[in-house]
Amino acid sequence: DAGVIQSPRHEVTEMGQEVTLRCKPISGHDYLFWYRQTMMRGLELLIYFNNNVPIDDSGMPEDRFSAKMPNASFSTLKIQPSEPRDSAVYFCASSKSTDTQYFGPGTRLTVL
Amino acid sequence: LAKTTQPISMDSYEGQEVNITCSHNNIATNDYITWYQQFPSQGPRFIIQGYKTKVTNEVASLFIPADRKSSTLSLPRVSLSDTAVYYCLVGGAGRGSTLGRLYFGRGTQLTVWP
Repeated sequence: DAGVIQSPRHEVTEMGQEVTLRCKPISGHDYLFWYRQTMMRGLELLIYFNNNVPIDDSGMPEDRFSAKMPNASFSTLKIQPSEPRDSAVYFCASSKSTDTQYFGPGTRLTVL
Repeated sequence: LAKTTQPISMDSYEGQEVNITCSHNNIATNDYITWYQQFPSQGPRFIIQGYKTKVTNEVASLFIPADRKSSTLSLPRVSLSDTAVYYCLVGGAGRGSTLGRLYFGRGTQLTVWP
């Protein structure tokens, strides 16, 4: 298996632009997680899905952030409009119902 | 929310045993304890998981006292390549024990010196 796949690996955009991050979980995994990592706050859970349904989005910082999972093999995290404080590394992870999460390589987002 | 507390940083030398302790006073009955390791520019990866007493695998050992309010990750004979951030988590969405948020926080930065 190729593991969790994220794209793009790096994204540089200007303030106010829309940003879409993509994730393909490991086949057969029924949980999908989106995290954000910064030096100041560490690794924070933004939202997670179970069987494509959002279960807990209380970590989503504000309405500018949205996440979707239209099917079992694809999820997006969208920021619209983006702001410089959104600059971070965004990780996607997936798991089966065994608690072990498998993380993707991350997307490094820079908002100028 | 089963929040954890662990040291921000630790230093060690090659060949030594390293023990990283994590506090989780409000751990729930059904919660498991899981440790992850993260290298720079990579996502965290699973190291070990346990519920009580002791668990050992090829990478590390996990010691959990009877009250389960803390746990200790033990890395035997560390090498330079063990320099990484180590995260302690409790709960687990998959088991239904804590269907709330999983707290990674800032973890413990372990630096191994030659």
